[in-house]
Amino acid sequence: DAGITQSPRHKVTETGTPVTLRCHQTENHRYMYWYRQDPGHGLRLIHYSYGVKDTDKGEVSDGYSVSRSKTEDFLLTLESATSSQTSVYFCAISLGTAIGEQYFGPGTRLTVT
Amino acid sequence: GESVGLHLPTLSVQEGDNSIINCAYSNSASDYFIWYKQESGKGPQFIIDIRSNMDKRQGQRVTVLLNKTVKHLSLQIAATQPGDSAVYFCAETLTVGTSYGKLTFGQGTILTVHP
Repeated sequence: DAGITQSPRHKVTETGTPVTLRCHQTENHRYMYWYRQDPGHGLRLIHYSYGVKDTDKGEVSDGYSVSRSKTEDFLLTLESATSSQTSVYFCAISLGTAIGEQYFGPGTRLTVT
Repeated sequence: GESVGLHLPTLSVQEGDNSIINCAYSNSASDYFIWYKQESGKGPQFIIDIRSNMDKRQGQRVTVLLNKTVKHLSLQIAATQPGDSAVYFCAETLTVGTSYGKLTFGQGTILTVHP
């Protein structure tokens, strides 16, 4: 699992509340990613980071923000959760030797009611 | 969830058969392609990759074929085993420019292997 953990693993929250998901890696990899996975859409990139305080938007970044103040942690925040953000969220890291070779965490299942 | 199976292509094979999973990619500028396997309840797992300057690449029991003319990618699994049952995703990206490293995934194919 390349030393990737995600927390929480499951969360139920109400519409309009802020939510922060955490991705933690133990091996100091430079590149980290957040994806969401929904039926019929596969995985879609939300945001990614190429170093401390260096982040960029992905395909579906609206409604999400990220922060990376330490190499090992990449946080995804839903500023005001909506039902359309109910999904499974995966964090991934890239070893850098092959950018497409990404290692994924176990996922966080988020339900917004 | 259960709606995934209503939308994804499926492939059902017998143990020991060879499997071929196909993928049509969208961006003609993509120059790097990857296959991932996702077992139920887990994150995707890297299988094999191929760059656009190659037509074929082999790994352990897997082969990826790339046809850039028709923007088609395939994954061949030899002697398929029950442990190969999973959802398989292709992904594409560019190795240059602002899209560097940003993977675009296909919707996936469900492979079921019967003993």
